[in-house]
Amino acid sequence: AQSVTQLDSQVPVFEEAPVELRCNYSSSVSVYLFWYVQYPNQGLQLLLKYLSGSTLVKGINGFEAEFNKSQTSFHLRKPSVHISDTAEYFCAVINYGGSQGNLIFGKGTKLSVKP
Amino acid sequence: KAGVTQTPRYLIKTRGQQVTLSCSPISGHRSVSWYQQTPGQGLQFLFEYFSETQRNKGNFPGRFSGRQFSNSRSEMNVSTLELGDSALYLCASSLALAGGAGELFFGEGSRLTVL
Repeated sequence: AQSVTQLDSQVPVFEEAPVELRCNYSSSVSVYLFWYVQYPNQGLQLLLKYLSGSTLVKGINGFEAEFNKSQTSFHLRKPSVHISDTAEYFCAVINYGGSQGNLIFGKGTKLSVKP
Repeated sequence: KAGVTQTPRYLIKTRGQQVTLSCSPISGHRSVSWYQQTPGQGLQFLFEYFSETQRNKGNFPGRFSGRQFSNSRSEMNVSTLELGDSALYLCASSLALAGGAGELFFGEGSRLTVL
């Protein structure tokens, strides 16, 4: 069964520093990959998604992610973070052909941006 | 256009009671999914409904049930509440594109506390 591992549960970083949030999935079958962000007391918002094509995907708020099929990874990056990026970030996967309502999520990474 | 609306946002129940949560999807979205979010288990898939039919179900006991109406609105019900049911329940809707490539749009959730 497919699973998602987010290697860091918490990532503290200073404002304007770069950040990378790591995500690995278990199965090498064709997949769609997503990153969602959750701000306190809110639902999840899609940051970006990889469906096919270029392995470098750009999303909202200056985030980007790179799909690496051989390493089954989909790490999220931002070159310079802001205080407002403080939130919890979730990586999610769905096998190609699966129902998009049944995303498999990682446990999340809490990004804390300090001034 | 209006997003996914969940009601109530907060509720407190006691053990043994039952609860019904409501979700109104984005207009035109026929798929509604439910997730349970807890600090320990993260986001866990409960079930997905499409055109009034349950299409997928997660690994939850039968106390958790749901339904979808002809206007795509959905409800989930938890009977005989246990302390461990305390969680944020998130509803998500989607266009249900073929192959699972679409985006899930989440509501802000219903936070259930069981005393």
